[in-house]
Amino acid sequence: DIVVTQSPDSLAVSLGERATINCKSSQSLFYSSYNNNYLAWYQQKAGQPPKLLIYWASTRESGVPDRFSGSGSGTDFTLTISSLQAEDVAVYYCQQYYNTPHTFGQGTKLEIK
Amino acid sequence: EVQLVESGGGLVQPGGSLRLSCAASTFTFSSYSMSWVRQAPGKGLEWVSGISSDAVTTYYADSVKGRFTISRDNSKNTLYLQMNSLRAEDTAVYYCTGGSGWYRSYWGQGTLVIVSS
Repeated sequence: DIVVTQSPDSLAVSLGERATINCKSSQSLFYSSYNNNYLAWYQQKAGQPPKLLIYWASTRESGVPDRFSGSGSGTDFTLTISSLQAEDVAVYYCQQYYNTPHTFGQGTKLEIK
Repeated sequence: EVQLVESGGGLVQPGGSLRLSCAASTFTFSSYSMSWVRQAPGKGLEWVSGISSDAVTTYYADSVKGRFTISRDNSKNTLYLQMNSLRAEDTAVYYCTGGSGWYRSYWGQGTLVIVSS
């Protein structure tokens, strides 16, 4: 199974500042035949189901604010929130869908400093 | 907007069975791959099982293989998860998820399964 590890486990950032969450996989998620990285990011607010933010490592889902961006390739990926808003408090997960089981990272809890 | 509504959760004794259902409010259900993802209380997300849009291919996490069966009825826009030989560690909120790719675009609100005597 592909192991996906996020860092840090928790993060406190001031409003308006940049937040960066990292995701590392135990094997490459890049499929050369399709020129894509099979990595997604989700946001889960308290008491709600997760919400898709980013897929193919860097494609923003429709309706997601452009302060959210994804980058990286191969085994190392990053979710960046360029200017943290109060409504961004949540737990963030990355997920690989390169191979089954489609494993998730352990989650990163983002709070306001 | 795609809506997914899970049902069938509840309290069951260890060794018992439950069948979860997920009703989709979309005519394009038959074109979506579907999955079940669970979340134990206070824990992270765990992928459980997936099924291709045409129901030909199914996938399972090792933790549920041989005990859970995923299926779908595209004529009824419904996804199922038959859970047998339930264990305490299966206690979780079970989310129905779907999308045109294997990233999960759509999520239900979840149904809670509690395995306890």
